[in-house]
Amino acid sequence: AQSVTQPDIHITVSEGASLELRCNYSYGATPYLFWYVQSPGQGLQLLLKYFSGDTLVQGIKGFEAEFKRSQSSFNLRKPSVHWSDAAEYFCAVLNAGNNRKLIWGLGTSLAVNP
Amino acid sequence: DTAVSQTPKYLVTQMGNDKSIKCEQNLGHDTMYWYKQDSKKFLKIMFSYNNKELIINETVPNRFSPKSPDKAHLNLHINSLELGDSAVYFCASSLGVWGNGELFFGEGSRLTVL
Repeated sequence: AQSVTQPDIHITVSEGASLELRCNYSYGATPYLFWYVQSPGQGLQLLLKYFSGDTLVQGIKGFEAEFKRSQSSFNLRKPSVHWSDAAEYFCAVLNAGNNRKLIWGLGTSLAVNP
Repeated sequence: DTAVSQTPKYLVTQMGNDKSIKCEQNLGHDTMYWYKQDSKKFLKIMFSYNNKELIINETVPNRFSPKSPDKAHLNLHINSLELGDSAVYFCASSLGVWGNGELFFGEGSRLTVL
């Protein structure tokens, strides 16, 4: 069965430090991959997506993610974190078969120290 | 203009009561969803409507009844509320079923059952 794993439940970084949030997926074919962000008290917002082509994708708010098929990973990165990046981050995969479904990871909570 | 709006944002009620949450989107999307997010931030799909037709009905107690009067609206009525219904309920919309993974979320409705 398809699944999405976010190994880190909670991460704390200092403002200005670099960030990498991990995401691993289990899916037979090439998946459609997504990162969403949920700021405190808000709904989820799409940060970026990967369908095909260039494996390094750019998103909003200075985020990028890299698809690595060999590692079944789609890690989210940001070179310099801002305090406003403190939020919950969700990785998701859309299976492209007949029984389409958006499968969510359990989320990674990011705290940013001043 | 808010793209996906939910009302009310907060509900506090007693066990056994009935409550409704309303959702409206002005994005011209044809598919809408209800998600439940528990205290651990886990996102669970509950229902989805496409062009007013119910297309996803996960294993949700029949105390929960969605209704879509038109493509732009999706409401959720909950009968006989239980403590375990306490959660944040998110409405989302997309163009096409699953919208190639691009969902637009409302800000959520936090339900507290006492």
